[in-house]
Amino acid sequence: NAGVMQNPRHLVRRRGQEARLRCSPMKGHSHVYWYRQLPEEGLKFMVYLQKENIIDESGMPKERFSAEFPKEGPSILRIQQVVRGDSAAYFCASSGTGKQYFGPGTRLTVL
Amino acid sequence: KQEVTQIPAALSVPEGENLVLNCSFTDSAIYNLQWFRQDPGKGLTSLLLIQSSQREQTSGRLNASLDKSSGRSTLYIAASQPGDSATYLCAVHSNSGYALNFGKGTSLLVTP
Repeated sequence: NAGVMQNPRHLVRRRGQEARLRCSPMKGHSHVYWYRQLPEEGLKFMVYLQKENIIDESGMPKERFSAEFPKEGPSILRIQQVVRGDSAAYFCASSGTGKQYFGPGTRLTVL
Repeated sequence: KQEVTQIPAALSVPEGENLVLNCSFTDSAIYNLQWFRQDPGKGLTSLLLIQSSQREQTSGRLNASLDKSSGRSTLYIAASQPGDSATYLCAVHSNSGYALNFGKGTSLLVTP
């Protein structure tokens, strides 16, 4: 049973470009969570999704950030018009009915 | 709002020592508490998960305790090894939400 998959592992974007981060949950998991780890900061919750539904987006910045978890395919975290402050590690976690399992993360660098 | 604090922020010990990492949280209405390990530039590895009804969990040289009423958890590492060097994160799953609330971590260095 493969773990949580994230790609790309490293992503470099210039200011103003779009970043798309993908997360494939563990087989059988229908819950996906996105967290962000800024330099020298702890991990912060961003959004919780179930298939085709956003359940809790209380940690998402109000602008430029969006997330989806379609019926088919991976969950996508999309950041439009990236700025240098978006540089961080973005982690995805999935769960079935309880414990969250984390992916290896995507490290976004904005030049 | 749940706040999670970890002390110390950094710790350096010689190989073979036993050590304790501390985690405190402000809201005792929790579902569970989890300890993770994070190596530089890597993802999170779950070490131990303690349900709110439990007092401790053990795995090998690791023992985690939970005192919900006082809002504290400790991670005890016995006979430390250089391979234990990493950042250790405490995360609390509160009853009031879906998210894990993380502390900033304790950076551990075990010297040979």
